[in-house]
Amino acid sequence: DADVTQTPRNRITKTGKRIMLECSQTKGHDRMYWYRQDPGLGLRLIYYSFDVKDINKGEISDGYSVSRQAQAKFSLSLESAIPNQTALYFCATSSPGQRNNEQFFGPGTRLTVL
Amino acid sequence: KQEVTQIPAALSVPEGENLVLNCSFTDSAIYNLQWFRQDPGKGLTSLLLIQSSQREQTSGRLNASLDKSSGRSTLYIAASQPGDSATYLCAVPSGGSNYKLTFGKGTLLTVNP
Repeated sequence: DADVTQTPRNRITKTGKRIMLECSQTKGHDRMYWYRQDPGLGLRLIYYSFDVKDINKGEISDGYSVSRQAQAKFSLSLESAIPNQTALYFCATSSPGQRNNEQFFGPGTRLTVL
Repeated sequence: KQEVTQIPAALSVPEGENLVLNCSFTDSAIYNLQWFRQDPGKGLTSLLLIQSSQREQTSGRLNASLDKSSGRSTLYIAASQPGDSATYLCAVPSGGSNYKLTFGKGTLLTVNP
């Protein structure tokens, strides 16, 4: 079984729609992250969370919001999707006490906004 | 601002060849450096993490080196196999943290049978 899972794996939506991407982990890690990957731009950090009550903006948080429902669950929302949010989205987890905070990634969600 | 560069952007080699992938970063004040592999349609798989106090880290046919002072890391793959074909990414924590990763754009490796 995968340690970090993401749902859905693929999603096509229309401009203006609200979208939620979900991430769950069984690694027992405290820290969770959301990244997006765009061709030619690499991966960029959107939001990160150290625990349920500690959520922080990353490099490109505009247009996104997150919710840490439990230690194992971290959701990313697009309140009103726009075409330039078309990208591959990854969730990751880490623990500061394990291997210098090595990050482990989920399989990704491919989001297309028409 | 930390910037990470990976050279070459793409590499094609015949099976069995040894190869080196390069990663450079602009801010040498890093806690560690992580190498990942990304297969099409799949997520990132962590290959190796080198802590700032280490010079090398090995896992099977992979060997990663780190030279903090010069802002460079290399990933050496010995006796390459077609199954090694993937995109290889390096990432370093930035902003004085050990968690805000800055990624390179990757090297697309193709190993031909």
